[in-house]
Amino acid sequence: GAGVSQSPSNKVTEKGKDVELRCDPISGHTALYWYRQRLGQGLEFLIYFQGNSAPDKSGLPSDRFSAERTGESVSTLTIQRTQQEDSAVYLCASSATGDTEAFFGQGTRLTVV
Amino acid sequence: GQSLEQPSEVTAVEGAIVQINCTYQTSGFYGLSWYQQHDGGAPTFLSYNALDGLEETGRFSSFLSRSDSYGYLLLQELQMKDSASYFCAVRDQAGTALIFGKGTTLSVSS
Repeated sequence: GAGVSQSPSNKVTEKGKDVELRCDPISGHTALYWYRQRLGQGLEFLIYFQGNSAPDKSGLPSDRFSAERTGESVSTLTIQRTQQEDSAVYLCASSATGDTEAFFGQGTRLTVV
Repeated sequence: GQSLEQPSEVTAVEGAIVQINCTYQTSGFYGLSWYQQHDGGAPTFLSYNALDGLEETGRFSSFLSRSDSYGYLLLQELQMKDSASYFCAVRDQAGTALIFGKGTTLSVSS
């Protein structure tokens, strides 16, 4: 596609439910990143995929968070047993290689009620 | 790990020049990038410095000093549309995650 696509754009969920967020990177981009951005805050690194290498999961805040990527295409971020502190915008980005500029999607705004 | 420090807020008037500083600590170093994010929008890439010195792109310039672990973004001829958050970001080596600072909110007034 023309850009990084994320879905859904907005998600409201009840505390304790699981949610799945989707990211379609730019075609051909080998690197994919997930970030969390709380209201008025910075970009908090969550996880990084680069080609066929093992993902860098060092930013995942707890074992309730997990992510997968199929080859060099779609990625899903799953949050289990959501908590109110998980409310944030979840941003996905991709880059052509692991050291070039990152292109961001518009994000998924998650609200846990 | 990596850490980056930048001021939380900067204010300026239209037509002025503003400098946003960024200091970083990384185990290695593979370039300093700058991104802009308008309220409610996605971050967009502005510039990248791998070597010491000044890179100029129109009204925006970015500077890097690797010996000082320091860089800055210089915005000239400020316009109202430049009001946004600006983030510096680093990788400690090629092919690793891009880590962002907490961002600087720039407010431009008339």
